[in-house]
Amino acid sequence: KAGVTQTPRYLIKTRGQQVTLSCSPISGHRSVSWYQQTPGQGLQFLFEYFSETQRNKGNFPGRFSGRQFSNSRSEMNVSTLELGDSALYLCASSDQGTDTQYFGPGTRLTVL
Amino acid sequence: KQEVTQIPAALSVPEGENLVLNCSFTDSAIYNLQWFRQDPGKGLTSLLLIQSSQREQTSGRLNASLDKSSGRSTLYIAASQPGDSATYLCAVRPGANSKLTFGKGITLSVRP
Repeated sequence: KAGVTQTPRYLIKTRGQQVTLSCSPISGHRSVSWYQQTPGQGLQFLFEYFSETQRNKGNFPGRFSGRQFSNSRSEMNVSTLELGDSALYLCASSDQGTDTQYFGPGTRLTVL
Repeated sequence: KQEVTQIPAALSVPEGENLVLNCSFTDSAIYNLQWFRQDPGKGLTSLLLIQSSQREQTSGRLNASLDKSSGRSTLYIAASQPGDSATYLCAVRPGANSKLTFGKGITLSVRP
């Protein structure tokens, strides 16, 4: 099976813009989780979608949003970008959400 | 609130040494615990998943143990190799449908 894929791999944006990141899970996986990774804060949970429903949500402002489609592909959107949003954004998929998490390579977002 | 701690933040050992990486968590009521490896700039690779009812899991040169009562897990790496150099993260899932909480990781360097 193909692994988790994320597009794009790299993004450069300026403050105030918005961005959409995409994640395609492993075939058959229904759970997709998103994480933000920064050197200072480490890995922080953004949200999890299971069968198109948001099941868990982390402590991020409303500028961060996501959705999941019927084919389990997921997108996350960040509006009104801030410098502090520069990070590696990782998504992970699993079958039930409670078992082994498989991560994609990440999208490196730089906000100038 | 579950907190996961990994100390030390960095470790350097000579090739061939057996080593133990530690992970501690504050709430012993966990669903499962997972160990990951991350190479620089890359996504996470799952190494081992331990369910709450299990005491240990093994994969090749890796062995992970879980002691819920003391809030600790260890990852044992036998006969370390330079290719083992990476950041190792542990993550705890408190409940069946709850989010993973990650430690900040231990950056391991194995010297030839």
